[in-house]
Amino acid sequence: GESVGLHLPTLSVQEGDNSIINCAYSNSASDYFIWYKQESGKGPQFIIDIRSNMDKRQGQRVTVLLNKTVKHLSLQIAATQPGDSAVYFCAALYSTLTFGKGTMLLVSP
Amino acid sequence: SQTIHQWPATLVQPVGSPLSLECTVEGTSNPNLYWYRQAAGRGLQLLFYSVGIGQISSEVPQNLSASRPQDRQFILSSKKLLLSDSGFYLCAWNLGDTGELFFGEGSRLTVL
Repeated sequence: GESVGLHLPTLSVQEGDNSIINCAYSNSASDYFIWYKQESGKGPQFIIDIRSNMDKRQGQRVTVLLNKTVKHLSLQIAATQPGDSAVYFCAALYSTLTFGKGTMLLVSP
Repeated sequence: SQTIHQWPATLVQPVGSPLSLECTVEGTSNPNLYWYRQAAGRGLQLLFYSVGIGQISSEVPQNLSASRPQDRQFILSSKKLLLSDSGFYLCAWNLGDTGELFFGEGSRLTVL
């Protein structure tokens, strides 16, 4: 079956640093990937997505990189701020969206 | 604009009691609807999804059930709650031709 996982359960960074959160997926059948941010006690919110015909997509302070060869996805957050502290999920679309377990990003001032 | 509401936000129930969580979507038609559970390990587990009224697909066997009595209404139920049903339940929607899911604010269930 499909599985989507993240490499680290927790990532601690200093305010102003760049953050990189990684994700690996097992089934190359997916052609659509999403990153979500979930703050404590709230539902996940969409950050950025990427289709398999792309290897990079940029948003505001965020960049998603897709390496289909090694089935790896990463989320880069530039100039990380305390408000970025949250759990970040990657998700891959198969018949439904399959989520990874999440990485908690902790930003210290 | 589209909005999603789920309630109650917080619920504390004894073991063996029934459960009903409700979710409604406004501002769109024929959405796909989903129920996820998020346990302490932070992962999102898909429980049920529905592509239309009365159409329910179950992803995992459990003592929960789902119903879709109206196009934009999705209900998660149980006749008898177990301790292991405790968790954070999230309703979500999308349209058939997109992958992005829009989540509600969640319902935190504690079974004692």
